[in-house]
Amino acid sequence: GESVGLHLPTLSVQEGDNSIINCAYSNSASDYFIWYKQESGKGPQFIIDIRSNMDKRQGQRVTVLLNKTVKHLSLQIAATQPGDSAVYFCAERRSNQFYFGTGTSLTVIP
Amino acid sequence: NAGVTQTPKFQVLKTGQSMTLQCAQDMNHEYMSWYRQDPGMGLRLIHYSVGAGITDQGEVPNGYNVSRSTTEDFPLRLLSAAPSQTSVYFCASSLNTEAFFGQGTRLTVV
Repeated sequence: GESVGLHLPTLSVQEGDNSIINCAYSNSASDYFIWYKQESGKGPQFIIDIRSNMDKRQGQRVTVLLNKTVKHLSLQIAATQPGDSAVYFCAERRSNQFYFGTGTSLTVIP
Repeated sequence: NAGVTQTPKFQVLKTGQSMTLQCAQDMNHEYMSWYRQDPGMGLRLIHYSVGAGITDQGEVPNGYNVSRSTTEDFPLRLLSAAPSQTSVYFCASSLNTEAFFGQGTRLTVV
């Protein structure tokens, strides 16, 4: 079966600190890895993606790192804000299908 | 520009009943998909479509049918509802790796 999982189900950080959310995957055939944010009662929202032949990609306040050697993906959020509180999912794309992890709940402490 | 519109937002069905979850997008995306989200399971792909007239099965297709007669619409049909289909359902339309999700349908089968 597919295996896109997260190391920690919950994460609490102080406002202003950096957050790191981790994800492990098992299938090397995926061509893209994607991070989504889901706020309570809403559908997931795209944050950033990274192609499988890249190691790092930066967006606005976010950085995604991909380590293919150990099949590990991380999302770094700089200067975490209260509005960043949500559940974060990693996902991988393989053969026109998307496989999602189980999610990490991020709580930002004011 | 409404994005992805799902209806209904909430639904209660009796075991054995059938129903159709509606999904429409106005972004002219070729790729559309349906997911179910269960606690601790993340999102799982039910069916997807890469364009009008083309549909394919995802991870958990049993008990669901789809059709794609137009680019805009991608309805999901439950043929004979079962309690195991109690879940939150999300429709998405995608441009490459960026998926735009609807607000979800919370379905309870009793």
